Amino acid sequence: AQSVTQLGSHVSVSEGALVLLRCNYSSSVPPYLFWYVQYPNQGLQLLLKYTTGATLVKGINGFEAEFKKSETSFHLTKPSAHMSDAAEYFCAVSDRGFQKLVFGTGTRLLVSP
Amino acid sequence: GAVVSQHPSWVICKSGTSVKIECRSLDFQATTMFWYRQFPKQSLMLMATSNEGSKATYEQGVEKDKFLINHASLTLSTLTVTSAHPEDSSFYICSASGLQGGSRLGTGELFFGEGSRLTVL
Repeated sequence: AQSVTQLGSHVSVSEGALVLLRCNYSSSVPPYLFWYVQYPNQGLQLLLKYTTGATLVKGINGFEAEFKKSETSFHLTKPSAHMSDAAEYFCAVSDRGFQKLVFGTGTRLLVSP
Repeated sequence: GAVVSQHPSWVICKSGTSVKIECRSLDFQATTMFWYRQFPKQSLMLMATSNEGSKATYEQGVEKDKFLINHASLTLSTLTVTSAHPEDSSFYICSASGLQGGSRLGTGELFFGEGSRLTVL
């Protein structure tokens, strides 16, 4: 069975600071990994994904994530936070092939001026 | 793009009534749809998976008679909460994967609707 662990239910940063949201996964097969963002009372928007190939993947809004197999991690980063980045972020894993996604518990990113 | 639209965004109903939520894929054929439930400040819990033209597969612990899912076409799936009670109040989100222009859409990601907030009084 697959699982996702997101460390830290809340992360607070100042505007302009580095954003680091942590995600560790468990999977018995090479996984597909995703980061989604959710704004209040809205659905989820895909930020980025790792399927195969380059382990450093770039997404929308300046976010990127690196797949580290040895650490079973897929942490999300952004060099400089913006106020508009404040939202809930979910890491998700699937076992490839358009199957259901298993989500982590989410991390709320708070950005202060 | 791949757009999924959910309706209604908000619904308030009395206890004991049934509520239907629609999920439509606007620019692709949704061969598989997933219905999630999200409690406040919590993650998404998969309720069921449906393939077009087939019966939905429900996750363990989800009452199939309470949450009726229909996926009769490649662009529409519906979730009906029957005899709703206050404990059914939640945020329901649909997502889909499928085909666009005859080719598989994406490489494993799901495309999400905007969500529907149900409040049962």
